[in-house]
Amino acid sequence: KNEVEQSPQNLTAQEGEFITINCSYSVGISALHWLQQHPGGGIVSLFMLSSGKKKHGRLIATINIQEKHSSLHITASHPRDSAVYICAVGGQGAQKLVFGQGTRLTINP
Amino acid sequence: NAGVTQTPKFQVLKTGQSMTLQCAQDMNHEYMSWYRQDPGMGLRLIHYSVGAGITDQGEVPNGYNVSRSTTEDFPLRLLSAAPSQTSVYFCASSSTGTGYYEQYFGPGTRLTVT
Repeated sequence: KNEVEQSPQNLTAQEGEFITINCSYSVGISALHWLQQHPGGGIVSLFMLSSGKKKHGRLIATINIQEKHSSLHITASHPRDSAVYICAVGGQGAQKLVFGQGTRLTINP
Repeated sequence: NAGVTQTPKFQVLKTGQSMTLQCAQDMNHEYMSWYRQDPGMGLRLIHYSVGAGITDQGEVPNGYNVSRSTTEDFPLRLLSAAPSQTSVYFCASSSTGTGYYEQYFGPGTRLTVT
C-alpha cells in the first residue's frame, strides 16, 4: 500500500461543477502540499498546510491531521482547471516529500 | 528571478551513454532535489542535497550520481544510461529550517533511452 493515496485517479466534470479530490496518507507528517501539473508543463505549488483550511481564489484545501486526510476543492470549475493534481506529504523538515500518484482532472466546457 | 532552470528539455540517449542533467536555482535555497516521474507512479526522489557539499540518496538512487559544489547548481549524472531510466526528470528547491517550505520545481527534462 502506498504511503499517499489519492482518489479518484481520473475525474471528468462539466464546467461549473464543484470538484473534490481526496488524499489519504499513512505516515506522520509536518506538512501536506497540493501541486498542479498542466499537460506537458511543469509543477507548481498550490497549497502547503499543516492544519485547518486554506483558500486561494476558487481553490480550497483542508486537512484533518487526526484522520490523516486532506481534500482539495475547486468551486465553479473551468476548463483551464484541467490538469493533474498531486498531493505530497513531508515529514521532519518537510523537504523530503512523498507523493501521491496524482488525479487527472478534465473539465469539459 | 529565473527560479529553477533545467537543461536540456529533451534528450535521447543510447543504452550505455552517459550524460548530465543540469539544474540551477537563483533563490539561494539550501535544499535541492531530483525526482523522476513515470506513468502511473508518483514522483520519486532520486537524490537530494541540504547544502553545498552535502548530498544524500533518495528512494531510487541507483544509476545516478550527484554533486553540489555551489548553492546554485545541482547536476544529475547518468553513469551508463539504461532504458529503465526513460522518464521525466524534475529538479526542485526550497528553503530549509524548522518550519515547512514551499518547493519550487523546474520545467522538467524528458529523457528517452533507446
